[in-house]
Amino acid sequence: GAVVSQHPSWVICKSGTSVKIECRSLDFQATTMFWYRQFPKQSLMLMATSNEGSKATYEQGVEKDKFLINHASLTLSTLTVTSAHPEDSSFYICSARDRGGSDTQYFGPGTRLTVL
Amino acid sequence: AQTVTQSQPEMSVQEAETVTLSCTYDTSESNYYLFWYKQPPSRQMILVIRQEAYKQQNATENRFSVNFQKAAKSFSLKISDSQLGDTAMYFCAFMKWGGSEKLVFGKGTKLTVNP
Repeated sequence: GAVVSQHPSWVICKSGTSVKIECRSLDFQATTMFWYRQFPKQSLMLMATSNEGSKATYEQGVEKDKFLINHASLTLSTLTVTSAHPEDSSFYICSARDRGGSDTQYFGPGTRLTVL
Repeated sequence: AQTVTQSQPEMSVQEAETVTLSCTYDTSESNYYLFWYKQPPSRQMILVIRQEAYKQQNATENRFSVNFQKAAKSFSLKISDSQLGDTAMYFCAFMKWGGSEKLVFGKGTKLTVNP
C-alpha cells in the first residue's frame, strides 16, 4: 500500500516551453501533497504544499508564476514548469500525505527535467 | 523554526555488521514525528522508520531500530546485519504534529555497505 506515482519519469524540453508533471496517490486519498526539488548530492528542498481544492502554499523564494501547482482531486496533483529555462533543470519529487491519518508522507519516484 | 542536523556526511560498513547513523534536531514543539528515509541510487525515497515523540518506546522495523532521546533531541538509526542493498543516502526528518505540516530534512548521510 501507500504507493505514489509520478509521470513522466524523465523529460527533455526546449527552453521557453512548459512542462507538466503529474503526481498520483494510487491506493490512498491524499489531503495534502508536497513538491520538492533536489539538486545533485543535496537534500530535498520543499517548493510548495498543496491541499485538494485550494491554492498551493509556496516556500519563500519559489516563483509561484513559474511553478504552477494544481491539486484537483484527492489523488492527483500537477506541477507545471512554465517557460522553462536551463536553470530549471533538476530532479522534482512529489509526496502525498495519507488522509487515513498516519501523517506519513509517501514519495513518488521523481521526475528528471532537462531543459536545453 | 525546526532544524535537523546529520553530522556524518558519509559512512561505510562491512556487510553483516552494524552501523549507527546520527541525527539531532532542534524544536520547541512537544508533539511531533521523526522519520528516517532512505534514498538508494534509483532516487526513490523510501520510508525506513518513524517515531512519534509521545512514545517512549523506540521504534523498530526488522533490522532497523532507532534510539530516540527526547530530552537530548537525538534520533539515531541503527542498521543491524547490513546488506548491500542498504547502500543509499539516509535522511532524517522532523514533522510537527497534525495539519498539513511539512517535513524538515537533514542534509543526509551517504552509507556504503562493502562486501
